[in-house]
Amino acid sequence: ETGVTQSPTHLIKTRGQQVTLRCSSQSGHNTVSWYQQALGQGPQFIFQYYREEENGRGNFPPRFSGLQFPNYSSELNVNALELDDSALYLCASSWRGQGVTNEKLFFGSGTQLSVL
Amino acid sequence: AQSVTQLGSHVSVSEGALVLLRCNYSSSVPPYLFWYVQYPNQGLQLLLKYTTGATLVKGINGFEAEFKKSETSFHLTKPSAHMSDAAEYFCAVSTSGTYKYIFGTGTRLKVLA
Repeated sequence: ETGVTQSPTHLIKTRGQQVTLRCSSQSGHNTVSWYQQALGQGPQFIFQYYREEENGRGNFPPRFSGLQFPNYSSELNVNALELDDSALYLCASSWRGQGVTNEKLFFGSGTQLSVL
Repeated sequence: AQSVTQLGSHVSVSEGALVLLRCNYSSSVPPYLFWYVQYPNQGLQLLLKYTTGATLVKGINGFEAEFKKSETSFHLTKPSAHMSDAAEYFCAVSTSGTYKYIFGTGTRLKVLA
């Protein structure tokens, strides 16, 4: 049990629609990262939020966006869904402090998104 | 740029046999290295990590890995496989402070009775 929860667990959308995925981080964690895991692949970094601001982005288009809230929750939004967006979306929370490095990521169980 | 290569997308071992999962990395700066395990319909669980210091790292469930800079490797081993070890294993690389992990494509471990 990592203390990171994601909702919903499964979601079916059609091409062109918009989707919002939610994540509740472990209490006290000020950093959240989102990853996309396509079938048979390793997770790919989408972006990271630190103290409610984007703090790094992978090779994903702007239609992938996010928000992080003060209550340790966060969202991943995807606009204009494409078939290739079908994947497992994982969020991972961690804690970062000045001068302190904690490299451990705590992953949620993911949201399985299917785009038809 | 960093990258990770996991040799063997599928590995089968007999129960009680040695488990060896291979991971090679590429990094222009000192790497942080990780092994994660993923069970069906679940997220990733950290098995072990190397940041600095001792190059032989012990993790949970009897797994260990050795950082070999000269070989750019971080192979995962377990002396005796158990049926419960059947899962997908991911090697990942990062660098200090970035929190961006680069994952390999995974190795699915099958344990035969």
